[in-house]
Amino acid sequence: QQQVKQSPQSLIVQKGGISIINCAYENTAFDYFPWYQQFPGKGPALLIAIRPDVSEKKEGRFTISFNKSAKQFSLHIMDSQPGDSATYFCAASSGSSNSGYALNFGKGTSLLVTP
Amino acid sequence: GAVVSQHPSRVICKSGTSVKIECRSLDFQATTMFWYRQFPKQSLMLMATSNEGSKATYEQGVEKDKFLINHASLTLSTLTVTSAHPEDSSFYICSAKSGTGRGYTFGSGTRLTVV
Repeated sequence: QQQVKQSPQSLIVQKGGISIINCAYENTAFDYFPWYQQFPGKGPALLIAIRPDVSEKKEGRFTISFNKSAKQFSLHIMDSQPGDSATYFCAASSGSSNSGYALNFGKGTSLLVTP
Repeated sequence: GAVVSQHPSRVICKSGTSVKIECRSLDFQATTMFWYRQFPKQSLMLMATSNEGSKATYEQGVEKDKFLINHASLTLSTLTVTSAHPEDSSFYICSAKSGTGRGYTFGSGTRLTVV
């Protein structure tokens, strides 16, 4: 059962545009929400992460918006560049030793930024 | 920053043989190691979680006798795919976490091809 639902599956954005990827979760025990970027043949790399006590976090061109009541969070990539073309995964984890702190991943979004 | 070195990056083996994948945390103590499997254009699926010095906890549907995980030290965890078959061909990725912190560091992945 997918604990984190991610959309869209794929996204095409023109250079300079805004890329938006959305995720939703059900487990209210989740308290850590990271976004990862993955290039083909490589492991995921952490982009940005947020805790549920804030509604927004910005790092450079990347912003996470978090809506605790709706159990949704999203990634915004401002001024998207061709080098941003990759697969993006949202994830969530619980701060409980029972869960092993394991990350639950969304299905991923393949982003293509056209020149 | 934290680095996890994963080797080999690619391996081709014959059906019926065993393959060992190593993950080393280079500059921190990996108290918990997660092993994932990723099929092409799909998300990361958690296979097992291991804590240093303890037996690994396997996810439902993952054969523990086929995927042997050893986490004997705070800097090294290994995944051995025993009696590999073509259906085991996949991208295997490790991720390490230190203590109760929420920083997860991923290895660069291992592309296993069983022929």
